[in-house]
Amino acid sequence: DAGVIQSPRHEVTEMGQEVTLRCKPISGHNSLFWYRQTMMRGLELLIYFNNNVPIDDSGMPEDRFSAKMPNASFSTLKIQPSEPRDSAVYFCASSTSGRALYNEQFFGPGTRLTVL
Amino acid sequence: AQKVTQAQTEISVVEKEDVTLDCVYETRDTTYYLFWYKQPPSGELVFLIRRNSFDEQNEISGRYSWNFQKSTSSFNFTITASQVVDSAVYFCALSEAPYNQGGKLIFGQGTELSVKP
Repeated sequence: DAGVIQSPRHEVTEMGQEVTLRCKPISGHNSLFWYRQTMMRGLELLIYFNNNVPIDDSGMPEDRFSAKMPNASFSTLKIQPSEPRDSAVYFCASSTSGRALYNEQFFGPGTRLTVL
Repeated sequence: AQKVTQAQTEISVVEKEDVTLDCVYETRDTTYYLFWYKQPPSGELVFLIRRNSFDEQNEISGRYSWNFQKSTSSFNFTITASQVVDSAVYFCALSEAPYNQGGKLIFGQGTELSVKP
């Protein structure tokens, strides 16, 4: 079975440019999470969706960040305009939810973003 | 507030030594889950274990074992006879969420384990 798929794996862009990160969750999973990992802040949740609906976006840093999940098999995280402090590794994860509470999350390989 | 603390930032051991990674958590929820994830140098996050708040039995999986103690809010991870391949950053995490809406993971800062030959 394919795991969580993220693209691109690496992205280098210049300050002010728009960046779009993509994620395909594991088929059958109905919860999707976007995390950011930096040396200073560690792993932090940005936003998560359940059944394609955003449940908690309190971790989204500011209005420059937006996330969508138009269907059960695809999500995007967009940064516009990007800034050097957005440089980080962005992980997407998915899990099942329902009667089995708090199932483990399966993580994608991450997208390493560098904003110059 | 929910919080996970991994006080050990870095640990270095020699191969075949046993090593324990500490994890202390804070939560007001009575129902919660605790997790350990491994992040090897390649960068991906690998799930190791999940434990629910009602089950305090220790768990062993090969060279890995976990000690969950609600009285001290701790969920420690021990690697027996460590190997070089165990070198990685290990994250402890706490899951809190409304029922049926998936689990929001709160991660500790991670412990970087270096196992030297």
